Amino acid sequence: GIQVEQSPPDLILQEGANSTLRCNFSDSVNNLQWFHQNPWGQLINLFYIPSGTKQNGRLSATTVATERYSLLYISSSQTTDSGVYFCAVVPGSGNTGKLIFGQGTTLQVKP
Amino acid sequence: DTAVSQTPKYLVTQMGNDKSIKCEQNLGHDTMYWYKQDSKKFLKIMFSYNNKELIINETVPNRFSPKSPDKAHLNLHINSLELGDSAVYFCASSNEARWEKLFFGSGTQLSVL
Repeated sequence: GIQVEQSPPDLILQEGANSTLRCNFSDSVNNLQWFHQNPWGQLINLFYIPSGTKQNGRLSATTVATERYSLLYISSSQTTDSGVYFCAVVPGSGNTGKLIFGQGTTLQVKP
Repeated sequence: DTAVSQTPKYLVTQMGNDKSIKCEQNLGHDTMYWYKQDSKKFLKIMFSYNNKELIINETVPNRFSPKSPDKAHLNLHINSLELGDSAVYFCASSNEARWEKLFFGSGTQLSVL
């Protein structure tokens, strides 16, 4: 089955710093989403981005489907950005709705 | 006006007991899911229902039985709970016809003692 690998596994930033999280996937996908799990466990959908670039405030995401990777950019990080960031994909040949999750990047933003 | 709500938030029980987790969505979505998150934060799909019909059933012990009375509700019943069932269970929903974003409930932390 498809492999979804996220890097780095852990990241510590000082407030105000910028960061880039990466998601590599081993096969073609027809759906890619980024999620943020906050320290209270809530999973928030950040982006649906099977290709191209999107921006939402300080966050932006780019997916290059032909090269099988996606990037999540966090600018001017804040302590509220702390948590785990997940990339999830639906394989191109897979069942619609069966999102395969990466192992996540744990981000800690220090004040 | 919570979009996907699940109850209870915490569930502590003894081995061998039977328990249920309830989920409701008010987004008008036609597809609902159960995901399991283990102690290492890994998320894996368990079940998916589309308009009350089971469409995804991963390799899950048959002690786990989902039930969808209508497309806005998906409950999870677990029989004969085991220590290894301890995890966080998330309900989620999406719109199959315009399959884009998945929306999660707040999770149920199940602890089996």
